[in-house]
Amino acid sequence: AQSVTQLGSHVSVSEGALVLLRCNYSSSVPPYLFWYVQYPNQGLQLLLKYTTGATLVKGINGFEAEFKKSETSFHLTKPSAHMSDAAEYFCAVSDRVFAGGTSYGKLTFGQGTILTVHP
Amino acid sequence: GAVVSQHPSWVICKSGTSVKIECRSLDFQATTMFWYRQFPKQSLMLMATSNEGSKATYEQGVEKDKFLINHASLTLSTLTVTSAHPEDSSFYICSAEGFSGANVLTFGAGSRLTVL
Repeated sequence: AQSVTQLGSHVSVSEGALVLLRCNYSSSVPPYLFWYVQYPNQGLQLLLKYTTGATLVKGINGFEAEFKKSETSFHLTKPSAHMSDAAEYFCAVSDRVFAGGTSYGKLTFGQGTILTVHP
Repeated sequence: GAVVSQHPSWVICKSGTSVKIECRSLDFQATTMFWYRQFPKQSLMLMATSNEGSKATYEQGVEKDKFLINHASLTLSTLTVTSAHPEDSSFYICSAEGFSGANVLTFGAGSRLTVL
């Protein structure tokens, strides 16, 4: 079974500072990994995903994440935080189902990290 | 492209009544839809997976008779919370997986259910 651990339920940074949100995963198959952002009372917006290929993945709003198999990690970074980045971030791993095609939409989520950005 | 519409965005109901939440893929065919529940300050927990024309597969601990899922077409899945109670109050989010030029997986905006 897949699992995701996000280290730190709350991260606080100053505007302009580096953002680093940590995610470690466990998967019995080569993982598909995702980062989502959620603003209060809203759904999930995909920031980026890793499926295969290049291990450094660039996403929207200046975010990127690096898949490190040896460390079973998929940490999210952004060089310079903006006030609008304040939100909750979820890392997720796909529980892929191989049955007449591959479905990867069944996700296991981490517990979330709330990012606060100070002026 | 790959837009998922979820309706209603919020609903308040009395205890004992049933509530239906719709999840529609607007511009692609969703072969599979997923329903998640998110309690306040918690993560998303998968409730069930539905494939068009098939019975939904429920996660362990989710009461299938209480949370009825129907996926009658490639663009619509519904979640009905039957005989709702205050403990069912939560944020329900659907996602849809399909193909729209490429494989897509898109989340709805969520539905806030409050049971009085």
